[in-house]
Amino acid sequence: DAKTTQPTSMDCAEGRAANLPCNHSTISGNEYVYWYRQIHSQGPQYIIHGLKNNETNEMASLIITEDRKSSTLILPHATLRDTAVYYCIVRRNTGANSKLTFGKGITLSVRP
Amino acid sequence: NAGVTQTPKFRILKIGQSMTLQCTQDMNHNYMYWYRQDPGMGLKLIYYSVGAGITDKGEVPNGYNVSRSTTEDFPLRLELAAPSQTSVYFCASSWTGNQNEQFFGPGTRLTVL
Repeated sequence: DAKTTQPTSMDCAEGRAANLPCNHSTISGNEYVYWYRQIHSQGPQYIIHGLKNNETNEMASLIITEDRKSSTLILPHATLRDTAVYYCIVRRNTGANSKLTFGKGITLSVRP
Repeated sequence: NAGVTQTPKFRILKIGQSMTLQCTQDMNHNYMYWYRQDPGMGLKLIYYSVGAGITDKGEVPNGYNVSRSTTEDFPLRLELAAPSQTSVYFCASSWTGNQNEQFFGPGTRLTVL
């Protein structure tokens, strides 16, 4: 699986957009970008994933650069409940050995 | 749907004791996983299963055993607890169509003294 690089931490004001970057310069053509988050003392939660087109769901938007070497997760109106560790993971979508590798992620702190 | 449930929520063991962490999912998912998370670290895969009767090792399987007799249940067994197994344990499941969209349980916090 391609390696990902994320900043250690960032913060944003409540109600503003939170843009969380991720670098994955060694991503291959059949690998998807996944985002999970982990709120303190809870299990990880799936947010969104994409291959090359931008994706949006009720939680967030995912913007993937044209060369696919980086992506940004956007929380359009961050709330205090969005304070969590966010993990960017690159994986193929098929194959029995689908073992997600969670690194240290980026800690997002949303301030009032 | 309850999703993925885990019991117990908390447990303290003495060195050398054994226990089973329970995990049940009601989403009819074929794939199930056990992860551990040490303080300040990401998750590490212990064991996984692609269906009833099939299990395989992850990256940190030593000291653990699993079984998968039904689609719903995937218990994790610690035979001789050691302080190095103090961690938070998460069970997860996913459907065959996309193994990477995993649903996680609330976790079991285990302390070995």
